[in-house]
Amino acid sequence: DAGVTQSPTHLIKTRGQHVTLRCSPISGHKSVSWYQQVLGQGPQFIFQYYEKEERGRGNFPDRFSARQFPNYSSELNVNALLLGDSALYLCASSTPGQSSGNTIYFGEGSWLTVV
Amino acid sequence: KNEVEQSPQNLTAQEGEFITINCSYSVGISALHWLQQHPGGGIVSLFMLSSGKKKHGRLIATINIQEKHSSLHITASHPRDSAVYICAADLLGSRLTFGEGTQLTVNP
Repeated sequence: DAGVTQSPTHLIKTRGQHVTLRCSPISGHKSVSWYQQVLGQGPQFIFQYYEKEERGRGNFPDRFSARQFPNYSSELNVNALLLGDSALYLCASSTPGQSSGNTIYFGEGSWLTVV
Repeated sequence: KNEVEQSPQNLTAQEGEFITINCSYSVGISALHWLQQHPGGGIVSLFMLSSGKKKHGRLIATINIQEKHSSLHITASHPRDSAVYICAADLLGSRLTFGEGTQLTVNP
């Protein structure tokens, strides 16, 4: 079985542009979470989706949005990119049911550089 | 003050040494995760704990719910154990809150 897959793996964008990052969870996993990891720091929670509904949102501006599709894959969108958005964006999926208390599986991440 | 704090931030050991990484949290949790991150960025889940102790090979993780503290131990450390180790608190049905990570380097 494939693990959590994310695309693209690396990308470079210019300030002010928009980016879409994609995540496919492990088959059967209904919960997907997004995290931002700035170099040298621990990941920060951005969003959690479960059964296509937003279940949690971290302290990020409205430029960040996400959605989950009927097949449980997810997209993270960031508008009006800033230099500070440069980071590793991680997607995680968890075993059926809510994420609380379940093993969590991470993708390899999408490295975003904003220039 | 971060909700999840780890110590030490950096740790250098000689091959074969016993290693301990500590994690303290200040919020109510449903579980505590220990994760390993290699330089490429990918994160691997090592343990998920809600009580007691778990062991997998040379890795041992313990948690004390009353004291809000967890430890990750590595016995007979090896250079391939070199990585960033992160503890993450699983808040009640919502999200993971991560510590800053511990950079472990094991020298041969």
